[in-house]
Amino acid sequence: GAVVSQHPSRVICKSGTSVKIECRSLDFQATTMFWYRQFPKQSLMLMATSNEGSKATYEQGVEKDKFLINHASLTLSTLTVTSAHPEDSSFYICSATRDFSYEQYFGPGTRLTVT
Amino acid sequence: SQQGEEDPQALSIQEGENATMNCSYKTSINNLQWYRQNSGRGLVHLILIRSNEREKHSGRLRVTLDTSKKSSSLLITASRAADTASYFCATEETSGSRLTFGEGTQLTVNP
Repeated sequence: GAVVSQHPSRVICKSGTSVKIECRSLDFQATTMFWYRQFPKQSLMLMATSNEGSKATYEQGVEKDKFLINHASLTLSTLTVTSAHPEDSSFYICSATRDFSYEQYFGPGTRLTVT
Repeated sequence: SQQGEEDPQALSIQEGENATMNCSYKTSINNLQWYRQNSGRGLVHLILIRSNEREKHSGRLRVTLDTSKKSSSLLITASRAADTASYFCATEETSGSRLTFGEGTQLTVNP
């Protein structure tokens, strides 16, 4: 299989604090990982694309200084939401692809609530 | 309007009936994919259809693609209550591997 995990599955934090979300490919090496955000009853919006060892490519309108992405190894990417605000509350989903494969394998998502 | 629009936004049917969801897109694509998402969960890949294919089947799923109309449909036959979920189409554009998701169809199958 191709399993992607995310940790934590749920997190509640106070406004102004930072939160780190991990995305791991458990049984394959992920050359590329994607981070998406999904608001309630809406579709997934791509935030950024990250390749191992290089800087992430952010989508238009996504603040790179607020959403820090690190893809330090072929099995781990992290998304840090810095100085979180209530409007950052959302469902964050990562996905990963293997070499020479079109298919994205999605993690189970992380529900972030900022109070 | 954006890439990957879907209709209907919501669909409610009885068990045993067929469910049809449609997706339209705007740019040239390598492939179009359909995903399922249960409430508050991650996405499950259902089926992929390449730009040079017109129809594909997988179990109770049938997907069609009309590149001239830039549209696709997902048919779920003999629906079950367990099929209740949101269904999203996603296009992989020819310009790269990123996926652009549609707005989704919320399917409710009543027992």
